[in-house]
Amino acid sequence: DAGVTQSPTHLIKTRGQQVTLRCSPKSGHDTVSWYQQALGQGPQFIFQYYEEEERQRGNFPDRFSGHQFPNYSSELNVNALLLGDSALYLCASSWLPGTGFYEQYFGPGTRLTVT
Amino acid sequence: AQKVTQAQTEISVVEKEDVTLDCVYETRDTTYYLFWYKQPPSGELVFLIRRNSFDEQNEISGRYSWNFQKSTSSFNFTITASQVVDSAVYFCALSEYGSGNTGKLIFGQGTTLQVKP
Repeated sequence: DAGVTQSPTHLIKTRGQQVTLRCSPKSGHDTVSWYQQALGQGPQFIFQYYEEEERQRGNFPDRFSGHQFPNYSSELNVNALLLGDSALYLCASSWLPGTGFYEQYFGPGTRLTVT
Repeated sequence: AQKVTQAQTEISVVEKEDVTLDCVYETRDTTYYLFWYKQPPSGELVFLIRRNSFDEQNEISGRYSWNFQKSTSSFNFTITASQVVDSAVYFCALSEYGSGNTGKLIFGQGTTLQVKP
């Protein structure tokens, strides 16, 4: 049973460019959340997708957008990249079991460097 | 407002020493969940434990133990007889049931634990 996968592993972009990161959830999971982890900081919630719609959003500008596909995989898009967008981007997938709580499983992350 | 504070930025111990990582949280919800994650250099977050707000019973799993005290809003993590393999960044996190129950996690800043041989 494959866990959460993310691609690419590493990425280097230039300021002003656009980037797309991809995430495939764990089998059986229908919800995908994205987190940004700057160096030396804890992860911060960007947004969550469920049924192909953004269900909840953190305090991030509109330059950050996403998409969820019918197979539950997801993309994170960042436009007009800034140096401050350099971070580890983590994807987490989850589902709602009978316990009524979303158990989140994290992928290995994509390391984005903006120069 | 919800917040998680890990006051210890870095801790260094010698192998076999016991070490406690502190976590203090703030929330207005009466139903919430607390977590600890381990992040090795590879970057992937490894789930260690989840506790809900109605269960204050302490838990022990091998060399790991957790002390949850609602009265002080703390959820501390102790590693007994630390090993070099325990070296990592450890995060405490909070999830509020009232936030639409989406499981959104609010993380602390993390504590870097270095265990020296």
